[in-house]
Amino acid sequence: DIQMTQSPSSLSASVGDRVTITCRASQSIGTFLNWYQQKPGKAPKLLIYAAFILQSGVPSRFSGGGTGTDFTLTISSLQSEDFATYFCQQSYSTLALTFGGGTTVEIK
Amino acid sequence: QVQLQESGPGLVKPSETLSLTCAVSGGSVSSYYWSWIRQPPGKGLEWIDYISNSGTTNYNPSLKSRVTISVDTSKNQFSLTVTSVTAADTAVYYCARVMVTSLKTDGYYTYYYMDVWGKGTTVTVSS
Repeated sequence: DIQMTQSPSSLSASVGDRVTITCRASQSIGTFLNWYQQKPGKAPKLLIYAAFILQSGVPSRFSGGGTGTDFTLTISSLQSEDFATYFCQQSYSTLALTFGGGTTVEIK
Repeated sequence: QVQLQESGPGLVKPSETLSLTCAVSGGSVSSYYWSWIRQPPGKGLEWIDYISNSGTTNYNPSLKSRVTISVDTSKNQFSLTVTSVTAADTAVYYCARVMVTSLKTDGYYTYYYMDVWGKGTTVTVSS
């Protein structure tokens, strides 16, 4: 299986901060990388697919980048509604669609 | 638009079989790929399986011997069965639609992503 490692596992930030979360794959996965946001008690929500394509309706302050093994999710100006846990997922190996361990963005 | 609703028993005894259903509204179950994902309390997401619109299935290797995904077109729903459950199967179980899209990035590739999710159903394994 392809292993996905996210860092940091949690971070504290303030409204208006620029926040970057990293996801690393155990092997090259091209741009087969998705990002999801999950708020407590809620289902995950798709933010970005194919590494950098913003899902319809997602604010433009979210952006994704990277290719190969290293990927980033950036929030350009953190809003109060962005405090949540973020998961990456690889879809290079469609035999096993593995998720990263998650990064929790908390209020500083 | 497509909406999903999970249903299931809530509580299952160890060694028994867990059966969950995901009702699809706003679209045909025959038209898309579907998946189950679970989340143990306080932990991350674990992909379980998916089924294609032609009935092809793929399972998480760590669960493959115990899980089955199937589609019921007459009821416009899909299901998950997990056999021989233990406490480790305690989790919130989500169903999701898997979009399969061909895109031109640095070549033409087919991307899989989960764009519609149910609200989740909590399953506890306990005697």
